[in-house]
Amino acid sequence: NAGVMQNPRHLVRRRGQEARLRCSPMKGHSHVYWYRQLPEEGLKFMVYLQKENIIDESGMPKERFSAEFPKEGPSILRIQQVVRGDSAAYFCASSEGLATGELFFGEGSRLTVL
Amino acid sequence: AQTVTQSQPEMSVQEAETVTLSCTYDTSENNYYLFWYKQPPSRQMILVIRQEAYKQQNATENRFSVNFQKAAKSFSLKISDSQLGDTAMYFCASLLRQGGSEKLVFGKGTKLTVNP
Repeated sequence: NAGVMQNPRHLVRRRGQEARLRCSPMKGHSHVYWYRQLPEEGLKFMVYLQKENIIDESGMPKERFSAEFPKEGPSILRIQQVVRGDSAAYFCASSEGLATGELFFGEGSRLTVL
Repeated sequence: AQTVTQSQPEMSVQEAETVTLSCTYDTSENNYYLFWYKQPPSRQMILVIRQEAYKQQNATENRFSVNFQKAAKSFSLKISDSQLGDTAMYFCASLLRQGGSEKLVFGKGTKLTVNP
């Protein structure tokens, strides 16, 4: 049973470009979460999605950031017009649902904005 | 707001010794979950141990155990017989549930170095 798969592991973008990060949850998991980790910091919640629905996006910046989890395919975190401050590690986690209280994390995608 | 505080930015321990990492949290919920995650240099987040707040008994996973003091809102991690592979960042986290959503709230982490 494969774990949470994230790609790319490393992504380099120039200021103003778009970044797309993908996350395939564990088999059987329909809940996906995105977290951001800045250098020397803990993870900060960004967004919580279930299939085709955004449940909680309270941690997402209001502009340039969007997330989706379509019926088919991976969840996508999209950052438009990236700036240097977007450089961070972006982690995806998945779970079976609210009852379990346990999230399984991917290995993260490290975004570097030049 | 739910907060998690780790007051030790860095710690070190000799191999085979025991070390305790501190964590305090603040929550208004009655039932909640607490976690310790390990992040080695590979950067993957690995669940070390979890505690359900309604359970009195402290959770234990092999060499890892917690001291859960609910009234004091304290959740420390004890690592016994430390091994070189335990060198990592350790994050304490609490699970916040509200309005049909759930999210982990993390502390800033403790960098643990196990010395040979």
